[in-house]
Amino acid sequence: AQSVTQPDIHITVSEGASLELRCNYSYGATPYLFWYVQSPGQGLQLLLKYFSGDTLVQGIKGFEAEFKRSQSSFNLRKPSVHWSDAAEYFCAVALNFGNEKLTFGTGTRLTIIP
Amino acid sequence: DTAVSQTPKYLVTQMGNDKSIKCEQNLGHDTMYWYKQDSKKFLKIMFSYNNKELIINETVPNRFSPKSPDKAHLNLHINSLELGDSAVYFCASSPFGTSGGPSYEQYFGPGTRLTVT
Repeated sequence: AQSVTQPDIHITVSEGASLELRCNYSYGATPYLFWYVQSPGQGLQLLLKYFSGDTLVQGIKGFEAEFKRSQSSFNLRKPSVHWSDAAEYFCAVALNFGNEKLTFGTGTRLTIIP
Repeated sequence: DTAVSQTPKYLVTQMGNDKSIKCEQNLGHDTMYWYKQDSKKFLKIMFSYNNKELIINETVPNRFSPKSPDKAHLNLHINSLELGDSAVYFCASSPFGTSGGPSYEQYFGPGTRLTVT
């Protein structure tokens, strides 16, 4: 079955430390890939997206993600996290069917400790 | 402010009632969506409209009926509310891409927390 998986339900990182959030997908073709962030009590905000081309994509707030076709992964990274990065992070995929349907992973909750 | 707005932010109601949630976007986008986020934070699309035309209609009970009076508004009406309808409902919108096709960039509203008792 087609799916998008975020293996880590909850991650705790010290402020200033590096971060990597994992995302794997299971689709016959390479989908379009996205990372969204949801701060407490807020809607989702797009961090970055990958359609094609350079496999390392830069996003807002200092985040980047790398697409690895061989691993069917699209992991999100940040070299140094800030307390304001504490939030829920969602990986999402879309197939190029033209209807813009996004399928979301189950999310990873990020906690930042001082 | 330009944004996707939803009203109300909180909605508490009893089983069996009928309620509506309103969504408006002033971003000039052509496509709008409704998502449901359950208590485990799982987010699933319910409907999408493109310029008032229904595009996506996932497996949603027909007690849920979206209505788009114009391309800036997409309302969600729910009949005969059930306990399982308790969730956060998000509205989103997206523009067309530069090539005229989908942009896949969705802008979300702040959500409406529906509690059915």
